[in-house]
Amino acid sequence: DGGITQSPKYLFRKEGQNVTLSCEQNLNHDAMYWYRQDPGQGLRLIYYSQIVNDFQKGDIAEGYSVSREKKESFPLTVTSAQKNPTAFYLCASSTQGVRSPLHFGNGTRLTVT
Amino acid sequence: DQQVKQNSPSLSVQEGRISILNCDYTNSMFDYFLWYKKYPAEGPTFLISISSIKDKNEDGRFTVFLNKSAKHLSLHIVPSQPGDSAVYFCAASPRSSNDYKLSFGAGTTVTVRA
Repeated sequence: DGGITQSPKYLFRKEGQNVTLSCEQNLNHDAMYWYRQDPGQGLRLIYYSQIVNDFQKGDIAEGYSVSREKKESFPLTVTSAQKNPTAFYLCASSTQGVRSPLHFGNGTRLTVT
Repeated sequence: DQQVKQNSPSLSVQEGRISILNCDYTNSMFDYFLWYKKYPAEGPTFLISISSIKDKNEDGRFTVFLNKSAKHLSLHIVPSQPGDSAVYFCAASPRSSNDYKLSFGAGTTVTVRA
């Protein structure tokens, strides 16, 4: 079955540590995205990638970094510069742009203490 | 500044009745709208979309209505079923050269009572 796999489901880190969230897709989609969800707020775009070896900042990119070395993979690193890293992180992919339906992973809940 | 607003955080409806979810937007550049549904511990899934050239789109029990002059859209679910209990997100995409950005509302939690 095609889909998006995010791992791990839950992640705990100490403040000051960088942490990388994994996202893998086998849908052969060109575009991939990282969103953050906080209580009472909609999903906010962190980074997106239209194609391999290319990525663009979203609305809240500060304190995050990404890479897109393979079509299937789009890992997100939450750095120590991110002021409020505790959140629910969702990875998504689409064939082209957001007007084709986004396929989401099941998310990673990151807790930083 | 949230450009897509879902002012009702929750909605409770009896099984078999209609669920009406509302969404308002402020950016007049939005011309494509989508609804996503999310169950607990899962990622959102695409439900239905509508382009601004239409005022209604229907897919089975789900119908989305768009009122451009009021910058308002609504999702109707008829009849509501227990499996419809989920969080529903409204999202909007602007008319621009960048087709990779969506603005999401905060979501409405629907509970369908037996």
